[in-house]
Amino acid sequence: GQQLNQSPQSMFIQEGEDVSMNCTSSSIFNTWLWYKQDPGEGPVLLIALYKAGELTSNGRLTAQFGITRKDSFLNISASIPSDVGIYFCAGQPVGGGSQGNLIFGKGTKLSVKP
Amino acid sequence: DSGVTQTPKHLITATGQRVTLRCSPRSGDLSVYWYQQSLDQGLQFLIQYYNGEERAKGNILERFSAQQFPDLHSELNLSSLELGDSALYFCASRAGANYGYTFGSGTRLTVV
Repeated sequence: GQQLNQSPQSMFIQEGEDVSMNCTSSSIFNTWLWYKQDPGEGPVLLIALYKAGELTSNGRLTAQFGITRKDSFLNISASIPSDVGIYFCAGQPVGGGSQGNLIFGKGTKLSVKP
Repeated sequence: DSGVTQTPKHLITATGQRVTLRCSPRSGDLSVYWYQQSLDQGLQFLIQYYNGEERAKGNILERFSAQQFPDLHSELNLSSLELGDSALYFCASRAGANYGYTFGSGTRLTVV
């Protein structure tokens, strides 16, 4: 079935650092979404992207819909401790998906550097 | 508050038992999705309903079943519970094909 490859799987951040993560697919997508999940809570939508090349910001977060329509990137600038959590990408394949429309990546876990 | 309501928030039960998890979607959303998330794992899609009808099925065990009622709330039934069924169960709803999912805060199921 269709899959999203999300990387990195985990990363450690120090306050003030910029963070980047991405998702790639072998299929073309017409929607890309980025979610954040805090421990014990449900994922919350951060940014939605609907057009190839689209660049959208939400505060310190910036996401881009890749021009090939097969990838998306999320950047967090000047990270703060509350950025810790799991970030999921999700995409809707052209023509719909078999698993309830959206395909989710496996997540990128952001932790604070010890 | 996301507008998607899940009850109960926590559930502890013994192996072999049966439980029912409930979800009320956001007002006006016709689609409901159920996901399972085990410790430090991703979101595993279980099943989707749209306006009362099953639309898509993921890796849902035969011991699990779901339904969506005329008032659009949905229930996920888990039976013959095993220790490995311990997980967070999320419900999400969607306004339409061009919108993202809105997730509830989940039900944490612990099977002992």
